[in-house]
Amino acid sequence: AQRVTQPEKLLSVFKGAPVELKCNYSYSGSPELFWYVQYSRQRLQLLLRHISRESIKGFTADLNKGETSFHLKKPFAQEEDSAMYYCALSTNAGKSTFGDGTTLTVKP
Amino acid sequence: NAGVTQTPKFQVLKTGQSMTLQCAQDMNHEYMSWYRQDPGMGLRLIHYSVGAGITDQGEVPNGYNVSRSTTEDFPLRLLSAAPSQTSVYFCASSFGPGGYTFGSGTRLTVV
Repeated sequence: AQRVTQPEKLLSVFKGAPVELKCNYSYSGSPELFWYVQYSRQRLQLLLRHISRESIKGFTADLNKGETSFHLKKPFAQEEDSAMYYCALSTNAGKSTFGDGTTLTVKP
Repeated sequence: NAGVTQTPKFQVLKTGQSMTLQCAQDMNHEYMSWYRQDPGMGLRLIHYSVGAGITDQGEVPNGYNVSRSTTEDFPLRLLSAAPSQTSVYFCASSFGPGGYTFGSGTRLTVV
């Protein structure tokens, strides 16, 4: 069975501070990991995928297979980063499992 | 290019009624999924499909049916609505596993 855990339901930081949203997963095969973001009153949208190793809106995420983690990081948070963030795991069979989400609030 | 289109946006049902939530995508995506989003519980997978004619159950399939007769459409049927099915439903599609494009959601209330 596959599982995604986001241990923090709520995370609050001040503008300009670093932010890290934690994601841990369990899966016996080789997963693909993703981060999605949902801004207020908008639809969910893909933020990052681990295979592309890119930086989007200043966010990065590194897959650590030893620790089975895929934490999302940004060195300097902005107010517009306030949103709900979901970590997700997808298998080759097409099944995608999401974590419960972390609500990030960036205070001015 | 409309992306993923869900209809209706809002729906109120009485307990025991049936209905179909529509989902269509125009990106020629093979993978499609239905999720429900409940407060504090994230997104839970109801059913998914990896191509026309192929569907499989997710984490919470009971009370829901799906079919995938075409690549574009993936309707979700509620057989006999219950208050526990009050939720926001999202349809999503992608070329391969993950990397989904999401619809705008259907907010369903069962009274």
